[in-house]
Amino acid sequence: DQQVKQNSPSLSVQEGRISILNCDYTNSMFDYFLWYKKYPAEGPTFLISISSIKDKNEDGRFTVFLNKSAKHLSLHIVPSQPGDSAVYFCAARGVGGSQGNLIFGKGTKLSVKP
Amino acid sequence: EAGVAQSPRYKIIEKRQSVAFWCNPISGHATLYWYQQILGQGPKLLIQFQNNGVVDDSQLPKDRFSAERLKGVDSTLKIQPAKLEDSAVYLCASSLVRGGYEQYFGPGTRLTVT
Repeated sequence: DQQVKQNSPSLSVQEGRISILNCDYTNSMFDYFLWYKKYPAEGPTFLISISSIKDKNEDGRFTVFLNKSAKHLSLHIVPSQPGDSAVYFCAARGVGGSQGNLIFGKGTKLSVKP
Repeated sequence: EAGVAQSPRYKIIEKRQSVAFWCNPISGHATLYWYQQILGQGPKLLIQFQNNGVVDDSQLPKDRFSAERLKGVDSTLKIQPAKLEDSAVYLCASSLVRGGYEQYFGPGTRLTVT
């Protein structure tokens, strides 16, 4: 039973355009949502986070939006660059007994074409 | 600042053999995590240490997997005996505090069980 879902395994975008990566979750007992980025043969690296009490967080070219009623979050990259080509994982941090535990989605492979 | 170190990077073993992975977290990071990432999936938490104590091992298959962090610094994860379905990348991560959502990942060990 997947609690964090990324339904698009891949996304292809032209350089300079907007990339939108989507993520859905089924459990309301998360306090933070994160995006991690992974290049081949490397471990994931933290990209951006959003608290469950916020609806938007922005960091340079990256913006994460959270829609709690729809249990949906998205990562916007504007403008997209070829170096953004990587696998992006959505993750959620549990509360209570699983405090600190991250639950990851399956990832979306982003390809930014020059 | 040195990142999370893991060794070996690659390992091929036959089923029923044993294998061990090593991780050295970022200096000063109290919390250490081991994740299993099967091809096409997101990382799944196996065990979380706070200093040298286990805080969550609910998803660790304890009949064959074991992990220790004796001095609260580096850690080893062992599989004995290995099964075909253990083929995966084993990622080690650390965070400064327990519950820190910004986790720093090592490059991982790719295990192939034949």
